Order: sequence, then C-alpha cells, then structure tokens
Amino acid sequence: DIVMTQSPDSLALSLGERATINCKSSQSLLYSSNNDNYLAWYQQKPGHPPKLLIYWASNRDSGVPDRFSGSGSGTDFTLTITSLQAEDVAVYYCQQYYSPPYAFGQGTKLEIK
Amino acid sequence: QITLKESGPTLLKPTQTLTLTCTFSGFSLSTTGVGVGWFRQPPGEAPEWLAVVDWNDEKAYRPSPKTRLTITKDTSKNQVVLIMANVDPVDTATYYCAHRHWNIFDYWGQGTLVTVSS
Repeated sequence: DIVMTQSPDSLALSLGERATINCKSSQSLLYSSNNDNYLAWYQQKPGHPPKLLIYWASNRDSGVPDRFSGSGSGTDFTLTITSLQAEDVAVYYCQQYYSPPYAFGQGTKLEIK
Repeated sequence: QITLKESGPTLLKPTQTLTLTCTFSGFSLSTTGVGVGWFRQPPGEAPEWLAVVDWNDEKAYRPSPKTRLTITKDTSKNQVVLIMANVDPVDTATYYCAHRHWNIFDYWGQGTLVTVSS
C-alpha cells in the first residue's frame, strides 16, 4: 500500500503570509504512460466534506482561487497558498489515486496567528 | 449540477450490518470514466477510502475491512449501496460517498454520522 505523509501537522500564519504544505508518498505517483502524477489536494472545514482543490498534482479545480497552487512530481509534492485569507483556515489533505487503497495524508491544520 | 446524498442508520449495535445508500443526481453511472466511491472519517482523523464502483461495474475495496464490505450500483435508480457486515465501535465515523471521474474524487456528499455502540 502507498503511504502518504504530510508536513507539518499544523501551521499558524498571519493573514497575507504564504503557506507551504508538503506531502510525500512512499512510492512514485507518476504514471509513465501519460506523465501524470496521481495526486490530489483537498481542503476540509469543520462539519463539511473534503473539497477538491488540486488534481493531477498541479491542476486547480473549477472555482478554486488562484492563490492555491500545487507542484511536485514522483514522490514529493507541495501545496502553496499565497497571501493567506481568513477563509483558508481548514485542514488540508493530500491523497493519492494511483492505486487502491487510495490513501490520504494525515492532514495539516492551518490556522491564523 | 452534480449532487450526492448519503442515507442510512445513525446508530447500530456491534455485530449488526450497516447498509448505506448514496443517491445522486447530475450524472449517470453508465457514462465511461465515472464511478462512485465510499469513504469514512472517524472524528478528528483523516478520511479513509473504503470502496469504489465504476461505470463498467468494476469494483475495488480497501484491504481491511474488505471481507466485510460489499458495494453495488443501481444505475436506473441513480444509487450506490455500501454494505458493511459485523460492525464494531471502531467503525464509528462520518461516511461519505463521492463522484469519481477518471480516478479523481471531485464531488462529495455531505456525509452521514454512523455510531456503533452497545
């Protein structure tokens, strides 16, 4: 099974600052036949389901603000939020969809300082 | 507009069978590339994928609790059912169903909290 590990577990930043969340997979998520990384990022607020932010490691889902971006390839990935807003307070998860079981990272809790 | 909604019991006793129904609209489970998956999320923990069924009736299950899980689809009713046998208190969680399009789980239901307690 592929294991997903995020860092840090929590992050407290001021409004307007840049947030960087890392995600590492135990094996490559890059599918050689199409050169796509099978990695998604989700945002979850209390009492709500996960919301898809990024897919194929770097594609923003429809309606997601452009301050959210994803990067990385293979086993190392990053979610970056430039200019943190109050509404970005949430838990962020990476998830691999390369092969079942489709594992999530343990989550990174983002708070405002 | 794609929507999904989970329904089922909120309280079960250990050893009982959990049957959850995902009723969806805005897409067809006979469309190539489309699937519906089930997830659960214990309080304070990360989501955990349980099972998925695709348009071609291919199914996949989490290795544990694979032997207790069954997923089925009814394309005519726009429903997907997840059955989990022999539940235990550790199965207490919010259960979600989600639309899948070519591997990506993009639309999620609001979830339903299931508590297992004697």
